[in-house]
Amino acid sequence: EIVLTQSPGTLSLSPGERATLSCRASQSVSSNYLAWYQQKPGQAPRLLIYGASSRATGIPDRFSGSGSGTDFTLTISRLEPEDFAVYYCQQYGSSPRTFGQGTKVEIK
Amino acid sequence: EVQLVESGGGLVKPGGSLRLSCEASGFTYSIFSMNWVRQAPGKGLEWVSSVSSGSHYIFYADSVKGRFTISRDNGKNSLYLQMNSLRAEDTAVYFCARAPGSGIDYMDVWGRGTTVTVSS
Repeated sequence: EIVLTQSPGTLSLSPGERATLSCRASQSVSSNYLAWYQQKPGQAPRLLIYGASSRATGIPDRFSGSGSGTDFTLTISRLEPEDFAVYYCQQYGSSPRTFGQGTKVEIK
Repeated sequence: EVQLVESGGGLVKPGGSLRLSCEASGFTYSIFSMNWVRQAPGKGLEWVSSVSSGSHYIFYADSVKGRFTISRDNGKNSLYLQMNSLRAEDTAVYFCARAPGSGIDYMDVWGRGTTVTVSS
């Protein structure tokens, strides 16, 4: 099983700042099959990024994904008020599909 | 509108059973893989099970293998999760989620979830 470790656990930033979230895999993620999701309290997750760097439909271009192999990054270039949420990475290159434990982006 | 709506959650005693349903609308259900993902109170996301478009490929997390059964009815645009021998640690919100399939399992459409509570 591939274990995904996200860091930091919590990121305290102000609107307009840049957020950089990390997701590290215990072994290489096949074909860079790595996705990122955003979840707000009481809501379902929302797909942001798939294939490590492809933005999902309707996702603003301030969200970008990068990385390969075992190290992946989600960057939010300028935080908007609606971006404060929990972010999860997920690998779908091998079974079982696994999620990271999440990074909470909170208002400083 | 593309939509997934879960139902069937509730309070059940340890050792009991429950069947969750997920009804899809607004897209061609039969060509997509489907997943169940759960989230325990205050915790992160845990993938539970997946089924391919034609039900040929079915996978389970080790934590539910032998107790849960995923199935789908493409004629009814519906996904199911039969949960037996329930434990306290199965308490969670259960989401159904769509995936493109053919081994590509990022989840691009999610339901709002149904809550399962296992307690005596």
